[in-house]
Amino acid sequence: NAGVTQTPKFRILKIGQSMTLQCAQDMNHNYMYWYRQDPGMGLKLIYYSVGAGITDKGEVPNGYNVSRSTTEDFPLRLELAAPSQTSVYFCASSYLTVNYGYTFGSGTRLTVV
Amino acid sequence: TQLLEQSPQFLSIQEGENLTVYCNSSSVFSSLQWYRQEPGEGPVLLVTVVTGGEVKKLKRLTFQFGDARKDSSLHITAAQPGDTGLYLCAGEEETSGSRLTFGEGTQLTVNP
Repeated sequence: NAGVTQTPKFRILKIGQSMTLQCAQDMNHNYMYWYRQDPGMGLKLIYYSVGAGITDKGEVPNGYNVSRSTTEDFPLRLELAAPSQTSVYFCASSYLTVNYGYTFGSGTRLTVV
Repeated sequence: TQLLEQSPQFLSIQEGENLTVYCNSSSVFSSLQWYRQEPGEGPVLLVTVVTGGEVKKLKRLTFQFGDARKDSSLHITAAQPGDTGLYLCAGEEETSGSRLTFGEGTQLTVNP
């Protein structure tokens, strides 16, 4: 049972480039989330989805886009990368409600230079 | 302004000591969770508390949810080097639903 799988683990982007961070879960979880983690700042919610075809903005959505065409996949798209998007990105999923807790992926470390 | 304030931000102790980490807010939460994160990995769920005044124990870890559901604490008894990590509290606001807000974390180091 793989849980939540994120790819790639590391990436260096140049300013203005675009990329997609992949996230897949095999637990049939309805809820999926994207957070970014900066040193000393905890985890900030970027976007989330409560089911296929439904997405919503979180606390820091600017510069990002998401889609949820299937239950399993929740990719995060960065358009026109900026140095402020240098961070560690975590995808998570939960079953039915957040009371069941999140299962996190192992993260993608992104550097924009 | 951080919705969930954790204290202390850093804690370095010797093996065998006891410690308490606090998570405070002015908001009421439907539930509150604690996670531990190790370097290079995602956070891992330790516990969920949902009832005001609730106390849960996980081996040497004791978690408490405040009576008013605005705060929580994590107490570790006889800390061990394996307890080293970043401890994060996360709450589901009554008005938000469907998502968690995280505190900034407490970095714990337990020295042998």
